[in-house]
Amino acid sequence: QVQLVESGGGVVQPGGSLRLSCAASGFTFSSYGMHWVRQAPGKGLEWVAFIRYDGSNKYYADSVKGRFTISRDNSKNTLYLQMNSLRAEDTAVYYCAKDGSGYVPLYYMDVWGKGTTVTVSS
Amino acid sequence: SYVLTQPPSVSVAPGQTARITCGGNNIGSKSVHWYQQKPGQAPVLVVYDDSDRPSGIPERFSGSNSGNTATLTISRVEAGDEADYYCQVWDSSSDPGVFGGGTKLTVL
Repeated sequence: QVQLVESGGGVVQPGGSLRLSCAASGFTFSSYGMHWVRQAPGKGLEWVAFIRYDGSNKYYADSVKGRFTISRDNSKNTLYLQMNSLRAEDTAVYYCAKDGSGYVPLYYMDVWGKGTTVTVSS
Repeated sequence: SYVLTQPPSVSVAPGQTARITCGGNNIGSKSVHWYQQKPGQAPVLVVYDDSDRPSGIPERFSGSNSGNTATLTISRVEAGDEADYYCQVWDSSSDPGVFGGGTKLTVL
């Protein structure tokens, strides 16, 4: 079955860096765009970033632009989120999610991982 | 950036119909997607492209979109439908991925 498993979360000091990973299985990873979405404690969902199936286009939320980088390794069926210059407001559960359409994205998320928790605190 | 507005809460008795709205400027020109999230769980897609249902989602869940308001309708509400619901669109702006603030559905 289609599965997404995030890892790499943890506690980091303000200004620090962290790299999240998302291992995909059960579908042709190289054919689908992928998203990162986060949820701060007690808050709603916030879209973070999207990458096309081949990595040719990337989009970011204004709140993370210039600090976060989304990337993928289709040979390893893995999605990444490199997070630099972390702030307290980046504290959240980070979900990776598969786009609902292959090759031509439709920009909705039809499969979600269980999430990984990032805490930015001194 | 584009803003989606949802009511914070909606309450409904079992067996009745719940309607959750999502307001946005000319939202009828966009594709709207809806997610259900239960406590401690990841979100689940329940409606995409305004009114389509993924496989496995009951027919009780339906959607519509026109003008400045999109609506998620849950018919014959069950206790298990109690959850937070989020609408989402993709906007051709600098901040393209947009979620509404979420609506907590309470089944009385």
